[in-house]
Amino acid sequence: DIQMTQSPSSLSASVGDRVTITCRASQSISNYLNWYQQKPGKAPKLLIYAASSLQSGVPSRFSGSGSGTDFTLTISSLQPEDFATYYCQQSYSTPRTFGPGTKVDIK
Amino acid sequence: QVQLVQSGAEVKKPGASVKVSCKASGYTFTTYDINWVRQATGQGLEWMGWMNPNSGNTGYAQKFQGRVSITRNTSISTTYMELSSLRSEDTAVYYCARGSRTIDPWGQGTLVTVSS
Repeated sequence: DIQMTQSPSSLSASVGDRVTITCRASQSISNYLNWYQQKPGKAPKLLIYAASSLQSGVPSRFSGSGSGTDFTLTISSLQPEDFATYYCQQSYSTPRTFGPGTKVDIK
Repeated sequence: QVQLVQSGAEVKKPGASVKVSCKASGYTFTTYDINWVRQATGQGLEWMGWMNPNSGNTGYAQKFQGRVSITRNTSISTTYMELSSLRSEDTAVYYCARGSRTIDPWGQGTLVTVSS
């Protein structure tokens, strides 16, 4: 199975901050990497697919980059509604493993 | 709009089985895979398995092999996930979600509580 790691596990930031979350795969997954946002009590929501493609309806302040084993999710200017937990997930092979998550909260 | 609606919360005793349903609407049911993902309270997301509703083909995470079964009824656009030999560690919210490489949208989740 492909193992996914994320860093940091949590971070505190202020509205307007630029936030970067890193995801690493245990082997090369090309660009088969998705990012999800989850708010408390809600189902996850797809933000970025294929490492850098923005899902329809997702604000352009979200962006993704990377290929191979190292990936990044960037929020260019954090908004109040962005405080949530973010998960990466590889779709290169099954099982479709997720990273452990990064919780973004208010500083 | 595309929607996945899951069945309601369940309380089960250790050793029992649970069957959660996921009804799809707003698209042609047989054209997208359905995944099942679970999340224990305060924990991360754990992918359990998938089904191709057209062929009926399934795949399961090794951890759940032998205990999980994903089935479907195409006439009512519904997928089912059955988990057997329940233990306390299976207490979690179970989600169905559409897609293969990208998983979206997700159902609202079904809380399964395993308690004696």
